[in-house]
Amino acid sequence: KQEVTQIPAALSVPEGENLVLNCSFTDSAIYNLQWFRQDPGKGLTSLLLIQSSQREQTSGRLNASLDKSSGRSTLYIAASQPGDSATYLCAVRVRNQGGKLIFGQGTELSVKP
Amino acid sequence: GAVVSQHPSRVICKSGTSVKIECRSLDFQATTMFWYRQFPKQSLMLMATSNEGSKATYEQGVEKDKFLINHASLTLSTLTVTSAHPEDSSFYICSALTGLHEQFFGPGTRLTVL
Repeated sequence: KQEVTQIPAALSVPEGENLVLNCSFTDSAIYNLQWFRQDPGKGLTSLLLIQSSQREQTSGRLNASLDKSSGRSTLYIAASQPGDSATYLCAVRVRNQGGKLIFGQGTELSVKP
Repeated sequence: GAVVSQHPSRVICKSGTSVKIECRSLDFQATTMFWYRQFPKQSLMLMATSNEGSKATYEQGVEKDKFLINHASLTLSTLTVTSAHPEDSSFYICSALTGLHEQFFGPGTRLTVL
């Protein structure tokens, strides 16, 4: 059964810092991996989608990498801003559980001005 | 990215009543939609997978008679919480799957049962 773990659970940084959020998963049989952002009381916003054949994706200040063989993904946020404060969720779409999206518990990020 | 809407965004109802939540994919057709619930400070819990024109597939422990799901068109799925009780109070989020296997989420519906 696929398990997704995110480290750290919470992170507080000063504005302007570059930071890395980590995600690990136990079963490499995945279709893809998605990073989401969730603001309090809101739905999820898709940030980046990495297909299983890809190594990384970039969007603006965000860069996500995928190492399927080791079961790891990282989300790199450059020059963090207070508006980046949110919970970041990593999720993998598994091949052998009906194509479901399995979520990690999230990293709660706070960027201080 | 693709847009998914939910209605209503917030609902308060009395215990014993039924509540319907709509989920729409606004700019794409979605053969598959998903319903999640989320408790405070927790991650999303998948309730059911909804496929257009067929019966929904429920996760273990989710009562199909209590949480009725209908996916009658490629852009609309509904979740009806029947005979709601206070323990059903939660944040319900739907999502829709694109043809490229990317999943987009609605803004969520906050249900409070008094």
